[in-house]
Amino acid sequence: SQELEQSPQSLIVQEGKNLTINCTSSKTLYGLYWYKQKYGEGLIFLMMLQKGGEEKSHEKITAKLDEKKQQSSLHITASQPSHAGIYLCGADEEGFQKLVFGTGTRLLVSP
Amino acid sequence: EAGVAQSPRYKIIEKRQSVAFWCNPISGHATLYWYQQILGQGPKLLIQFQNNGVVDDSQLPKDRFSAERLKGVDSTLKIQPAKLEDSAVYLCASSPWRGGITQYFGPGTRLTVL
Repeated sequence: SQELEQSPQSLIVQEGKNLTINCTSSKTLYGLYWYKQKYGEGLIFLMMLQKGGEEKSHEKITAKLDEKKQQSSLHITASQPSHAGIYLCGADEEGFQKLVFGTGTRLLVSP
Repeated sequence: EAGVAQSPRYKIIEKRQSVAFWCNPISGHATLYWYQQILGQGPKLLIQFQNNGVVDDSQLPKDRFSAERLKGVDSTLKIQPAKLEDSAVYLCASSPWRGGITQYFGPGTRLTVL
């Protein structure tokens, strides 16, 4: 079965700094999803990437997909306290319309 | 548009007791998912419904877990009897049939088994 590895597992950055979170898949990526989760709450959909080289942005968050490396990166520019939470990547396992998730990256933004 | 609704938000039970969780997906969404998220881990799919039929329940511990979606709308997940290792957040998600597979999640039910 497909496995997703996220790095780093946790991250503390100062407000205003940039950061990058990586997600690497053990198998070919058919679709890569990024979600954000605040403690004790459900997952909020951020964006979905399907094609190699694809890049999408939402406010100050940009995600890229490197199909050859079976990897996606999530970049936050000028981090704010509102960006704090757990970022999860999910992959469509073999196109079967079910998601396999990574273990998450916990982000803290210090003022 | 209303989001995915779940209840209760929190539940504390003793081991060997039974518990049930309820989910109402976004209106018109044909696909419904139940996930289990243990602390510090990503969500793990338990069961996937397409309308009122089961598409995938390969990771559902069927000796103690059951789920139904009788009318193809809301769904119930039951655990009977509960074990300590069932302590987790149970997330429900839904997606439209023709709208890609982007899944929209509810707030989850946090279960503590003592």
